[in-house]
Amino acid sequence: SAVISQKPSRDICQRGTSLTIQCQVDSQVTMMFWYRQQPGQSLTLIATANQGSEATYESGFVIDKFPISRPNLTFSTLTVSNMSPEDSSIYLCSVNRGGLGTDTQYFGPGTRLTVL
Amino acid sequence: EDQVTQSPEALRLQEGESSSLNCSYTVSGLRGLFWYRQDPGKGPEFLFTLYSAGEEKEKERLKATLTKKESFLHITAPKPEDSATYLCAVLLTSGGYQKVTFGTGTKLQVIP
Repeated sequence: SAVISQKPSRDICQRGTSLTIQCQVDSQVTMMFWYRQQPGQSLTLIATANQGSEATYESGFVIDKFPISRPNLTFSTLTVSNMSPEDSSIYLCSVNRGGLGTDTQYFGPGTRLTVL
Repeated sequence: EDQVTQSPEALRLQEGESSSLNCSYTVSGLRGLFWYRQDPGKGPEFLFTLYSAGEEKEKERLKATLTKKESFLHITAPKPEDSATYLCAVLLTSGGYQKVTFGTGTKLQVIP
């Protein structure tokens, strides 16, 4: 299994400000994933963070809006920049464990962001 | 374009009333299919990974099956504590790059 913690667990922010979300994993992983879950919706992948290289962003998400850091194999941050009320969501980080035949994906508890 | 669709969107069952949830997919580079349970205010909880058509996995009252185009999550004699949103997701690979795409979810309510 994997133990994943996120900080903060929730926050209320003013529009135009930025929030950095931290994700810590209990052991080293190659890839870490950042997802967004808007109210009542399923999960949408924002980007994949590899240690030592730039993050890979999915269509509709850009680095200027969601900069990601991956300084080592157990930690990553996602920043939500210049926030607007549309950014109100739950943000989740995730890791995959195992190889072919044993893939398992674990999620952190999420960060609930409300933008006023 | 990769697509994952779940049905129904919502399902209300009486305790003990068995049923199935559907996850259909149109993707390329499928490595596996995940099922998750998500309780309100929490991150998804991993249930199963399926890899090939005909594969089945069970956990308590849940059994997941896979065909070439869809997966089913069968719930036998559900209890109120099975109430949650159930998500399926496909694990895709392309040139060493992995990506997980989620379905829309089925919100299950089990009435005592």
